[in-house]
Amino acid sequence: KQEVTQIPAALSVPEGENLVLNCSFTDSAIYNLQWFRQDPGKGLTSLLLIQSSQREQTSGRLNASLDKSSGRSTLYIAASQPGDSATYLCAVMGVGNTNAGKSTFGDGTTLTVKP
Amino acid sequence: GAVVSQHPSRVICKSGTSVKIECRSLDFQATTMFWYRQFPKQSLMLMATSNEGSKATYEQGVEKDKFLINHASLTLSTLTVTSAHPEDSSFYICSASNDRVGQPQHFGDGTRLSIL
Repeated sequence: KQEVTQIPAALSVPEGENLVLNCSFTDSAIYNLQWFRQDPGKGLTSLLLIQSSQREQTSGRLNASLDKSSGRSTLYIAASQPGDSATYLCAVMGVGNTNAGKSTFGDGTTLTVKP
Repeated sequence: GAVVSQHPSRVICKSGTSVKIECRSLDFQATTMFWYRQFPKQSLMLMATSNEGSKATYEQGVEKDKFLINHASLTLSTLTVTSAHPEDSSFYICSASNDRVGQPQHFGDGTRLSIL
């Protein structure tokens, strides 16, 4: 059974800092890995999607990497802003007859960026 | 813009009421949709896989008679929480993806269900 772990659980940084969020997963047989943002009481906003054959994806100040063989992904946020404050979730999508399309989520990292 | 629409966004009702939540894919067809549940300060847990034209597949520990799923068309899946009780209060989110290879999961905005 796939397990996804995110470290740290919470992170507080001053505005302008670069930071890294970590995600690890136990089963390397994945279809893709997706990073989401969730604001309190809200749904999910997709940030970056990395296919299993890819190593990284970039969007603006965000860069996500994937090392499938070691079961790790990182989300790098450059020049953090107070508006980046949210919970960041990592999700891996399974493959195969029983797991295709199903996403397993980590518990998230709650980020606070102080002005 | 949103590609998956979920309705309603919030429901508050009395214990014993049945509540229906809709999940629609707006500009693509989805033969499969997924329903997740999120307890406060916890992550999303998959409840069931909704299959168009056939019965839903439920994850272990999820009561199928409690959480009725109907995938009536290629763009609509519904989750009905039957005879809801306070312990059913949670955040319910659906997802769908275009069946083309490599497409990401798109998630609805979620439904916050509060049972009094």
